[in-house]
Amino acid sequence: GDSVTQMEGPVTLSEEAFLTINCTYTATGYPSLFWYVQYPGEGLQLLLKATKADDKGSNKGFEATYRKETTSFHLEKGSVQVSDSAVYFCALSARDTGRRALTFGSGTRLQVQP
Amino acid sequence: NAGVTQTPKFQVLKTGQSMTLQCAQDMNHEYMSWYRQDPGMGLRLIHYSVGAGITDQGEVPNGYNVSRSTTEDFPLRLLSAAPSQTSVYFCASSYGTGPQETQYFGPGTRLLVL
Repeated sequence: GDSVTQMEGPVTLSEEAFLTINCTYTATGYPSLFWYVQYPGEGLQLLLKATKADDKGSNKGFEATYRKETTSFHLEKGSVQVSDSAVYFCALSARDTGRRALTFGSGTRLQVQP
Repeated sequence: NAGVTQTPKFQVLKTGQSMTLQCAQDMNHEYMSWYRQDPGMGLRLIHYSVGAGITDQGEVPNGYNVSRSTTEDFPLRLLSAAPSQTSVYFCASSYGTGPQETQYFGPGTRLLVL
């Protein structure tokens, strides 16, 4: 079945450092890929998405590129802020099924220190 | 629009008790779903619905019932709560299909079963 693998956290960075959170996936067909963010005590918010190979999703300084050849969708940000501290989830949506459900990775906690 | 709303925010149950977690959306989305979030496991799909009167099982449906009598509401019922159901529950709704689809999440219900 479909699966998503994320790098384990927590990831601890200093403010203005470069961020990479790795995400790889296994899926039949041609999925859409997502990054969701969960701030403390809140629900999940869509951060960015990409729906086909070589698409780059971007939002709030974060970006991720859909790499079909390596089945990856790594999240990057050039300069993190304390306010970016949250849990980040990589997810996919398999288009071939009627379920239209998201398959999530286990999440990566990011802690940004001033 | 209020988006996706969930009640209650927090609930404590004793083993064997029953309860209903409420979920409502005011965006006229056809698709709704329930996930549970457990530490280190990301979110897992419990049940989903592709429209009023239509529901189906997800990845972890045991111990949960759902119904969808209206487009707006999608309650999740625990018939006899067990400690293994201690979790954070998220409801989601979405519009569109394929590349256009985006899922929106509610703020979550934290459930503790003693």
